[in-house]
This record gives sequence, structure tokens and C-alpha cells, in this order.
Amino acid sequence: EVVMTQSPATLSVSPGEGATLSCRASQGVSSNLAWYQQRPGQAPRLLIYDASTRATGVPARFSGSGSGTEFTLTISSLQSEDFAVYYCQQNNNWPLTFGQGTRLEIK
Amino acid sequence: EVQLLESGGGLGQTGGSLRLSCAASGFIFSNYAMSWVRHAPGKGLEWVSAIRDSGGSTYYADSVKGRFTISRDNSRNTLYLQMNSLRAEDTAVYYCAKGRAGSSKWNFDYWGQGTLVFVSS
Repeated sequence: EVVMTQSPATLSVSPGEGATLSCRASQGVSSNLAWYQQRPGQAPRLLIYDASTRATGVPARFSGSGSGTEFTLTISSLQSEDFAVYYCQQNNNWPLTFGQGTRLEIK
Repeated sequence: EVQLLESGGGLGQTGGSLRLSCAASGFIFSNYAMSWVRHAPGKGLEWVSAIRDSGGSTYYADSVKGRFTISRDNSRNTLYLQMNSLRAEDTAVYYCAKGRAGSSKWNFDYWGQGTLVFVSS
């Protein structure tokens, strides 16, 4: 099983600032990686797929990069609605696996 | 508008069974892979099971293999998850999720609101 490790577990940032979230795979997953946002009490929302492609309707302040084992989600100029939990997910190998999540909180 | 509506959750007994359903609308259901993903209290997301558009291939997490069965009825636009031999650790909100088109079919672009399964002895 490919283990996805996200860091940090919690990130405290002020609104208007930027944030960088990391995701590491225990083995190479090429560019088969997605990022999701989950707000409290809501279903997850797809942000990024294929490591760097924004999903439909996702603001341009969200960007993804990386390939192989190291991936990054960058959010520029954080808005109030961006404070949530973010998960990475690999779809290169079965079973599909998620990271444990990074909680982005208001500083 | 894509809609996914889960049902069938509730209180289950240890060792018992539950069957979840997911009614899909707003897209050509038979063209897309589908999955179940769960979110246990205080934990992260866990992929549970997936099925290809035709239903010809299914996939399972090790934690549910041999106990859960995913299926679909493309004539009824409905996805199912038969859950047997329930354990306390199966307690979670279960989401039905639609796969994207093309090569990233195992990423999920639409999700239902989830159905809560609580397993108790």
C-alpha cells in the first residue's frame, strides 16, 4: 500500500497570507495525485487532480505541483472560506490512499 | 446538476449487516466509475471501495475486503455497498463519490452529503 504522509498536521496562517501544504508518497505515484478540501460538516471538494490541474470552479489562488513522491498544494492570499482540512490522495496504485490531512487554521 | 443521494445508514450491530444506496442524477451514470469513501470520527478520509463504469471490475480496501461488496445498477442509476460482518471500526460517515472522466477516473469530482453508519454491540 502507498502511504501518503502530509505535513504539517496543523498550519496556522493569517488571512491574506499564503500557505504551503506538503504531501509525500512512500513510493512514486507519477502525477496521479489529487487534493481535496473538507470544511466542517461538509463533503470533500476536489481542488486539484493530476498533481497540478485545477478542478472546475476552483479559484486560481489554489495551485498544485510535484511528481513522483513529493507534492505541494499552495494557496495564495488565504480567504476565510479556505480554512479547512486538506487531503491528498494517490490514484496510481490499488488500494487508493489518502493522506491523514492538514488542518489549516486561522492564526 | 450532478446529485448523489446516499441512504441506508443508521445503527448496525457488531457482526450484522447494512446496505447503503446512492441514487445518482444529473449525469450519465453508466459512463463513470464510482467509489465509496468513509470518514470516521476524529480521523481522516479512507477510501473503501470502487467499481468501474460497467461494473465489471471492483476494488476494495484491505480493511473491508471479504466483508463489503460494491455493486451498481446502471438501469436504476444507483450504487450500492453491502456491508456484512460489521465491526465497531466501521463507524463512519460514508460518502458516495463520482469518478472523473478519463485517466483520472479514480479522483472524485462530486460527492454525496454522506450517510452515517454507527456500529454498536
